[in-house]
Amino acid sequence: AQSVTQLDSQVPVFEEAPVELRCNYSSSVSVYLFWYVQYPNQGLQLLLKYLSGSTLVKGINGFEAEFNKSQTSFHLRKPSVHISDTAEYFCAVSKSGGSYIPTFGRGTSLIVHP
Amino acid sequence: SQTIHQWPATLVQPVGSPLSLECTVEGTSNPNLYWYRQAAGRGLQLLFYSIGIDQISSEVPQNLSASRPQDRQFILSSKKLLLSDSGFYLCAWSGVTGYEQYFGPGTRLTVT
Repeated sequence: AQSVTQLDSQVPVFEEAPVELRCNYSSSVSVYLFWYVQYPNQGLQLLLKYLSGSTLVKGINGFEAEFNKSQTSFHLRKPSVHISDTAEYFCAVSKSGGSYIPTFGRGTSLIVHP
Repeated sequence: SQTIHQWPATLVQPVGSPLSLECTVEGTSNPNLYWYRQAAGRGLQLLFYSIGIDQISSEVPQNLSASRPQDRQFILSSKKLLLSDSGFYLCAWSGVTGYEQYFGPGTRLTVT
């Protein structure tokens, strides 16, 4: 079975500052990795995914993430955040080769201050 | 393109009343379907998933049930609601590979 740890429950940051949201996973098999964003009172939206290939993945809204197999991490980054990036961010992992059930982290609340 | 609908958007129900939440997906066939619940300030809890009609798996034993009367329709039900059933209910679908999921807008349920 796999597990996901989002180390920070809340990350406050000022507008236009860079941000990194941390995600570590554990799994005995190869995995696929995802980041989702949830704005207040809305469903989750896929930000980006890593299935294979380049370990640096670019997503929507200027976010990117880097898959680091040796450190079992998939941290999410943005060089300059906006007020509108204030939301809950979830990291998720699925077994490669077929698993219908992803494992989600508990989420990180990104709070962007003016 | 694919879209996913959930209704109602909000619901206030008394304890002991029945529940029916509906989710439909358009623009794809034979999706995997999922029901999640988010309690206030907490992460996602998978309740049910379905990889086909008449193939529904329950992840958490409780007073909720799920049905899939059509390929792209997923219903969450309860005969008698508990206070602890309050939360934000999310329906999601994924393709045959079952990798990334696509979520509906959610239903906010308050049991009083």
